[in-house]
Parts: sequence; C-alpha cells; structure tokens
Amino acid sequence: NAGVTQTPKFRVLKTGQSMTLLCAQDMNHEYMYWYRQDPGMGLRLIHYSVGEGTTAKGEVPDGYNVSRLKKQNFLLGLESAAPSQTSVYFCASGKSGGVYNEQFFGPGTRLTVL
Amino acid sequence: DQQVKQNSPSLSVQEGRISILNCDYTNSMFDYFLWYKKYPAEGPTFLISISSIKDKNEDGRFTVFLNKSAKHLSLHIVPSQPGDSAVYFCAASAGVQGAQKLVFGQGTRLTINP
Repeated sequence: NAGVTQTPKFRVLKTGQSMTLLCAQDMNHEYMYWYRQDPGMGLRLIHYSVGEGTTAKGEVPDGYNVSRLKKQNFLLGLESAAPSQTSVYFCASGKSGGVYNEQFFGPGTRLTVL
Repeated sequence: DQQVKQNSPSLSVQEGRISILNCDYTNSMFDYFLWYKKYPAEGPTFLISISSIKDKNEDGRFTVFLNKSAKHLSLHIVPSQPGDSAVYFCAASAGVQGAQKLVFGQGTRLTINP
C-alpha cells in the first residue's frame, strides 16, 4: 500500500507557465483534497472532491483548477503560474460514510514560481 | 480572519516531561477537532481527535482536552520522547456529513531535548 503519492516532488516554474500536479491514492477513498501550506501559516484548502467526476471550491481556489476523472486520481492545475503560488502543496484523501474520518496526506510538492 | 489559532510558534520540553500544545478557535460551528503531526519533508499524519460533545479523549501518551466555553483545546503528551519532535497542527471541521473541510492553525514546532 503506497497510500497517497504526489508527482512531482519539486518544480520550478517561470511566471505565466502552466503545470499539473498529480495525486494518486490506492485506499479506494471517495474524498480527495488539495491544500497549500505557506510559511507561518497552516494548510489551506484549495479544492476538494467527494467522488469521481465531482469537484468543489475550498477556501483559496483562485488561480487553480482541478479534475477527478478517475476515483484514485486528483489533478491540480495551474494555468498561468504567479509568484504568489509559490508554496508546498499537499494532497489528502479520506473515506466517506461514518462520521469524521481522518484524512491521509501525501508527502507534498514544493513549487517555486519565479 | 484566522478561525483556528496556535499562538505559540515553538515549544521546547525536556525528555520525560509533559508537553502541552494549545489551540484556540473562533467559529462556534466547529464540531470536530483534530491534531496532526508533521515531520520535515513529509505530509501531516493524524494523531488524535475529539468531538465537540466530549471534553477529553485519550490515546496512549496523547490526550486532547476541549473547553467549548473558552473555545480552546490542548494536546498533552506524557511523557515526551525525542521522536515527538515535530510540527503539530490543530485543525477543526464543521458539519457531520460529507467531506471534511478542515481549517488548520499555523502549527507549533515542538522540540524535545534529551
């Protein structure tokens, strides 16, 4: 069981470039999430998905798009990167059903936008 | 406006002693609280949680206390061990069903000294 994996681990972009971050989970979880973490701040929710083919906005969605074409994958896209998007990005997944299931996090992607 | 706050950026404790990490929140709609632990270059891992209908939850060396009237929770680690050195995030969630849109505090870096 690999859990939650993220690709790539590091990336440097120039302003205006685009890229896609890939998150994959092998736990058959329904819910998936994208967070960003900036220095001195906690993790903030960007977008999330409650199932294949569905996505919803979180706390800080501007400048990002997401897709969930397959249950096990959740993609985060930056169409035109800005220096303000320099951050560490974490993906997480969680079970549905029951009450208050924990989220399992990937190792993160460190993105620098110059 | 930060809804979840951890006012101590860092804490240093001697091995074997008690570590107490604090967290305050402002949103009275939060009804579930979690603590996550994070090592460098890794994603956060779930540590312990508590529902708003309880005031204490214990799991081995870790105990979380919730004071709803004060909108305050704390994590106690007894006894503290060198492996507990990490960044600890407090997180809160509102709503019983569906995806958990977690709101995180800024984190507290705990250092356990031998």
